Amino acid sequence: GENVEQHPSTLSVQEGDSAVIKCTYSDSASNYFPWYKQELGKRPQLIIDIRSNVGEKKDQRIAVTLNKTAKHFSLHITETQPEDSAVYFCAASLETSYDKVIFGPGTSLSVIP
Amino acid sequence: GAVVSQHPSWVICKSGTSVKIECRSLDFQATTMFWYRQFPKQSLMLMATSNEGSKATYEQGVEKDKFLINHASLTLSTLTVTSAHPEDSSFYICSASGAYNEQFFGPGTRLTVL
Repeated sequence: GENVEQHPSTLSVQEGDSAVIKCTYSDSASNYFPWYKQELGKRPQLIIDIRSNVGEKKDQRIAVTLNKTAKHFSLHITETQPEDSAVYFCAASLETSYDKVIFGPGTSLSVIP
Repeated sequence: GAVVSQHPSWVICKSGTSVKIECRSLDFQATTMFWYRQFPKQSLMLMATSNEGSKATYEQGVEKDKFLINHASLTLSTLTVTSAHPEDSSFYICSASGAYNEQFFGPGTRLTVL
């Protein structure tokens, strides 16, 4: 089955700096890669996703890159703000609505004012 | 985006009792829902895939007789923790799939078993 690894497990950055979180997956059939942000005690929120037919996607300060050959994908947050502090999870799945989504172990991001 | 509700938001029960958690998709029909549990400072661990009108598919290591899942309609899935014990205390979250497998999560249920 699919296995998703994520690094680093914790990340501290100064406000205004960039943050990068990297993930790898094992199942070459996976073609949908979402990223979720979870604040303490709350539900995960989808912040960006990428599908295997594109290599990069950007939404304001957030970007995701995908290298299907290497089975790597990364989240980039620029100009970080204190409200970006949260746990971020990457995930991998097939693109069908009945396929399970496998989550990485998470990265706790702290943005220091 | 789609809205998924979960009830109750928190529950405290005595060891040996059963607890039912409901997950509803409020504005769309979900043929597939997923149940996760999350321990403090850990990731979401998939417990089972709930399919409307059929039996749930459980992940390896999850006891299907202990965690009963029923998906009786396109908008409702329930998880019943039977004979709960303190080690079952956790944060239980459901999700429903959109057309392209984007996941819409419920707010979660915090279960504490005394």
